[in-house]
Amino acid sequence: NAGVTQTPKFRILKIGQSMTLQCTQDMNHNYMYWYRQDPGMGLKLIYYSVGAGITDKGEVPNGYNVSRSTTEDFPLRLELAAPSQTSVYFCASSIRDRGTEAFFGQGTRLTVV
Amino acid sequence: GEDVEQSLFLSVREGDSSVINCTYTDSSSTYLYWYKQEPGAGLQLLTYIFSNMDMKQDQRLTVLLNKKDKHLSLRIADTQTGDSAIYFCAESMPYNTDKLIFGTGTRLQVFP
Repeated sequence: NAGVTQTPKFRILKIGQSMTLQCTQDMNHNYMYWYRQDPGMGLKLIYYSVGAGITDKGEVPNGYNVSRSTTEDFPLRLELAAPSQTSVYFCASSIRDRGTEAFFGQGTRLTVV
Repeated sequence: GEDVEQSLFLSVREGDSSVINCTYTDSSSTYLYWYKQEPGAGLQLLTYIFSNMDMKQDQRLTVLLNKKDKHLSLRIADTQTGDSAIYFCAESMPYNTDKLIFGTGTRLQVFP
């Protein structure tokens, strides 16, 4: 079982560059999430999706975009990278009828310089 | 409002018990969770408790919930060096049980 897979694991971006963080899950989960984790802080929800074709903003959506064309994939797009987006990004998925037992990917460490 | 607070660090000797504490502000939380994050890894669910329970035991883990004080704790018995990690508590909201609000995390350091 692969679970939740994120790529890449590490990335360095220059200010103003764009990139897409990939996330895929093979558990047929309806719900998928993107979080960012800043040092000494908890996880902050960026965007989430309740199913293919449906996305919604979380607590800190500015500077990001998402799409959910399939159940499996939930990519996160940064259009104009800024130093404030330096963080560790986690993708997660869950089954709604089991509450919020979320399964997390290993994370993507992004540095914007 | 939604806010979950934890102390940042805890250091214990191997074999002792660890108690990690968490306070939350929303008394209408439905589920409360403990997640573990090992270095360089994502979060892994350890255990959870439904809000109408006050205690749950799972092998070395004991979760205590005091709804009146909005206080959640995780006790790890016979703490081992492999328990060294960051522990996050999280709550889910009744109006959206699939959104998790995380605490800041407690870094547990176990020394021999």
